[in-house]
Order: sequence, then structure tokens, then C-alpha cells
Amino acid sequence: TQLLEQSPQFLSIQEGENLTVYCNSSSVFSSLQWYRQEPGEGPVLLVTVVTGGEVKKLKRLTFQFGDARKDSSLHITAAQPGDTGLYLCAGVDAGNNRKLIWGLGTSLAVNP
Amino acid sequence: DARVTQTPRHKVTEMGQEVTMRCQPILGHNTVFWYRQTMMQGLELLAYFRNRAPLDDSGMPKDRFSAEMPDATLATLKIQPSEPRDSAVYFCASGLASISASQYFGPGTRLTVL
Repeated sequence: TQLLEQSPQFLSIQEGENLTVYCNSSSVFSSLQWYRQEPGEGPVLLVTVVTGGEVKKLKRLTFQFGDARKDSSLHITAAQPGDTGLYLCAGVDAGNNRKLIWGLGTSLAVNP
Repeated sequence: DARVTQTPRHKVTEMGQEVTMRCQPILGHNTVFWYRQTMMQGLELLAYFRNRAPLDDSGMPKDRFSAEMPDATLATLKIQPSEPRDSAVYFCASGLASISASQYFGPGTRLTVL
């Protein structure tokens, strides 16, 4: 069974701190997406990375795709309470472009 | 502001009853996805349609679940008969062209089967 492992599973930090969450697999992905989900809502796409080694920035969020396209990280600088939510990664299996594999998510709480 | 809509938002039913969930994708989107989310399993893809044709429903228990798109503005997910283990949040998402393109999720249907 192909898996996308996300770590840590839970993270509680103070406003202003930096953090990094990870998304790892033994599989190669043709692309990988990061979503944020708030309670009672559906996930919202933050970014898609496609090229190995690619880095994308979205304000205080920095996303990196691993060189081998098997892993990704999300770094948040100076976290704010509005960053609170469940962060999900989802990868498109390079061997089967019809298959999207989801991680279980990292639940982030940023306390004021 | 185009959004995916889902009805009902909440559904409580008894084991054995039929449940139908509805989704209106964003106008112009030609791909529709049905997902189920639980704490233990996370987000699981149940079915995936493109241009109203099912492309992948391998994640769906075929004996009790069925998914259809009667037209381009409506997708349905039906469970018959429902079981307590079906309790979850069911999301519909829509997008353009391929599974790797951006997916826009609806607010979900929270299903509780007693």
C-alpha cells in the first residue's frame, strides 16, 4: 500500500514561532499538493509542486519538493493564529497518473 | 464567488437506511471527486469522474455504494444499506482536466449512522 506519511501528527506552538512539517513516501510523485483544512470545511489548495528540488513561497509559507520527488516540506515563518488548521499533502503517483495519494495530515494549533 | 455545494450538510440515519448525498460542482469544471474523511483513515478517494464518466471508483465499496452524475451540474453518492462504519464526512471536489490539477472542495456532508 502506498503511503504518504506526514509528521508531526500534531503541533501546538505560540504565535511568532517557526515550524516545519514533513510529507514523506517511498514512492515517486509526478506532482504534490499541499492543502489546509479548517474545522467544518473542506481542504483548500495552497500550492502544487512539480519539479524535483522546486521551492515555492506563499507569503510566510515555504514549500519544497524533494530532489527525488518522494518527499516535501512546508515551513511557516512567524506563525499566526490564522495558520491554525489541518495541513494535508497529496501526491499524484508517477506510475499511475489517475491515482492521488493523501497523507493523514498535520494538525497545527497556533496559540496567541 | 464560485463554490462547490453539497447537501445535506449533516445527516443522521439508522443502520439499513438509504443515504443520498448531492454535489453541485463549480460550473465549467469537468472532473468531480468523492472523498470520505475519518480520523483513522484520513481522506480517502471513493470515486472520480471526468466529463460525467467514472474513471476510477476502486476506492468505493461496490456492494453498497454507488456514484453517478446524472448531468454536468449534479453528482450523487448513494449508500444502501448504510452501516455504522460509514459514519464519516463525505466531501465532493471539482476541478479541470486531470487529477493533478487543483481540486476545489465543498463543505462536506457529515454522516452519522446509528
